[in-house]
Order: sequence, then structure tokens, then C-alpha cells
Amino acid sequence: QKEVEQDPGPLSVPEGAIVSLNCTYSNSAFQYFMWYRQYSRKGPELLMYTYSSGNKEDGRFTAQVDKSSKYISLFIRDSQPSDSATYLCAMTSISSGSARQLTFGSGTQLTVLP
Amino acid sequence: GAGVSQSPSNKVTEKGKDVELRCDPISGHTALYWYRQSLGQGLEFLIYFQGNSAPDKSGLPSDRFSAERTGGSVSTLTIQRTQQEDSAVYLCASSTGQGGTNEKLFFGSGTQLSVL
Repeated sequence: QKEVEQDPGPLSVPEGAIVSLNCTYSNSAFQYFMWYRQYSRKGPELLMYTYSSGNKEDGRFTAQVDKSSKYISLFIRDSQPSDSATYLCAMTSISSGSARQLTFGSGTQLTVLP
Repeated sequence: GAGVSQSPSNKVTEKGKDVELRCDPISGHTALYWYRQSLGQGLEFLIYFQGNSAPDKSGLPSDRFSAERTGGSVSTLTIQRTQQEDSAVYLCASSTGQGGTNEKLFFGSGTQLSVL
């Protein structure tokens, strides 16, 4: 079993829809959670970073962490065609380490239809 | 340069040949990472360079894989005697090297390697 599980999709939604992307994990030591966005033929870029359980909001994006269920989510409100990309979750247990300790999900491919 | 530059963007090779992939990190970034991204898989860590320290090679899948970083800047990932299972996107990333979980990785666009 992988340490981080992520539904690969593909997920297709109409413009303006609310999108929910999710990851589950098995390692209870994971404490730091990130979401990366990867456009086609590009490298991933950091979208959001969170530590504590609960919600963190940034514009149309909300990251949610439920450590008791080992479940994290990324919500996109008022989705736009420009949000079409692959979204990868990443997590680690180490606060002072390098990004070398990150464990990535396999990514969910999202398409927002105009 | 403005970002992490990788070359070539695409590489097609025959099984058994050696390939070299190049990464030019953001100027001033001391940390450099190589990842492999296979279809349907997450990013797989390969190797990590930080300043003048010995590289962390723990992610290299076999001794056919090696990497070096010259002068603390440009890095080359070499795959010897390529196999079909080596086909993947090879991503390079750099960061300031200051550490911490929210240290931001800047990724290049990757090299798509196809082994026929």
C-alpha cells in the first residue's frame, strides 16, 4: 500500500463548479501538507501549504486537513478553465528537513470545461 | 536565468544506450533535486544536492543512475544502459537551501525520456 493515495481521475467539471480533490495517507507521523499544481508539460508549482487540522483559505482555494481521518482535501471555488491541470498532494513529517523528505501523491488530472 | 532550465525537453533513445539530462538551477539556489515522474505515479525522489555536502543518493533506483553537480550549479543526471522502464519525465528542482517544510521548490519543465 502506498503511503499516500490520490484518485488519478480524470475529473471533468463545468466552469464555475466547486471542485474537491482528495488524498488519504497511512503514516500518522505526517504533519505538513502541501498541494502542487502541474500544467501539461510543466513542472509542479506549490499552490498551498498547511500544517494544522482545519481549513486554510487562499482566494478561490481552500486546503482542508483532517488528521484524525488521515485525509486532506483541496477545494476550488468558481473553477475556471485555467485551473485545468494535475493537482498533486505532498506531505512530510519533518519540520526542519529539506523538501527531500516530501512524499507525493500520484496526482489528480482536472479539466474545467468552458 | 528566470527559472530552472532543463535540456533536452524530449529525448528518445534505444534500449542499452546511455543518456545525459541537464539541469540549470536558479542562480543562487544551493539545493538541487532530481525527481522521476512516471505515468500514474507520484514524484519519485532520486537525488539531492545541498551546497558542498555529499549528495543524498538514496533514491537512485539502480547503479545505472548517477548524477553530478559541477561548481555548485549545473547538474547532469546520467542513465547508463537505458531500459524501457526508465521511460518517464525527469524533473529537476532547486531551492534556496534554507530548509524547513515550507521551503519552496522551483521545478523545471522536465525531460520526457522515451526508451524504445
